[in-house]
Amino acid sequence: ETGVTQSPTHLIKTRGQQVTLRCSSQSGHNTVSWYQQALGQGPQFIFQYYREEENGRGNFPPRFSGLQFPNYSSELNVNALELDDSALYLCASSPGGGNTGELFFGEGSRLTVL
Amino acid sequence: KQEVTQIPAALSVPEGENLVLNCSFTDSAIYNLQWFRQDPGKGLTSLLLIQSSQREQTSGRLNASLDKSSGRSTLYIAASQPGDSATYLCAVTYVRGGGADGLTFGKGTHLIIQP
Repeated sequence: ETGVTQSPTHLIKTRGQQVTLRCSSQSGHNTVSWYQQALGQGPQFIFQYYREEENGRGNFPPRFSGLQFPNYSSELNVNALELDDSALYLCASSPGGGNTGELFFGEGSRLTVL
Repeated sequence: KQEVTQIPAALSVPEGENLVLNCSFTDSAIYNLQWFRQDPGKGLTSLLLIQSSQREQTSGRLNASLDKSSGRSTLYIAASQPGDSATYLCAVTYVRGGGADGLTFGKGTHLIIQP
């Protein structure tokens, strides 16, 4: 069984640029959620996708957007990058909509904004 | 505001000791509570999931309890080993969001087990 995989593992961008992060969900999981983890903090919920539709969103501005594809993989896009966007971005998958089941996380994508 | 708090923020103990990590949450209306382990710079590994109807879950040397009425959970680690050194995160799924508001995480307890 393949777990949650994310790419790239590390990347460096400059302020104002745009970034796309990718996630492949665990086999059999149709729900993907994204989290932002700043250094020394717990992860913060960005949004969740279920069957290609966004069905939950945290307190993040519209420049954070996403997609889910028919194979349940997902992308996180961040426009107009700011220094505070530097963080570890974590993707998690679970079976079924909502978050009532166990979540399985990938290793994350470390974004540095200069 | 629905929050999760973890105490202590950091803990260092000698190998072999039994230890308890604490987690508190502000609203008893939850779907579940999940404990994770995170190694430096890595993703999260799920340790235990406790549904709101359950009182505890066990996996090997780990035991997690849940008391919804008091808004508390504890993670008990028996016979600690240096390999247990990591940050332990507690996360709650609150009912108010219908389960689609994501997990609410604490800031974690940074655990060091001294050989």
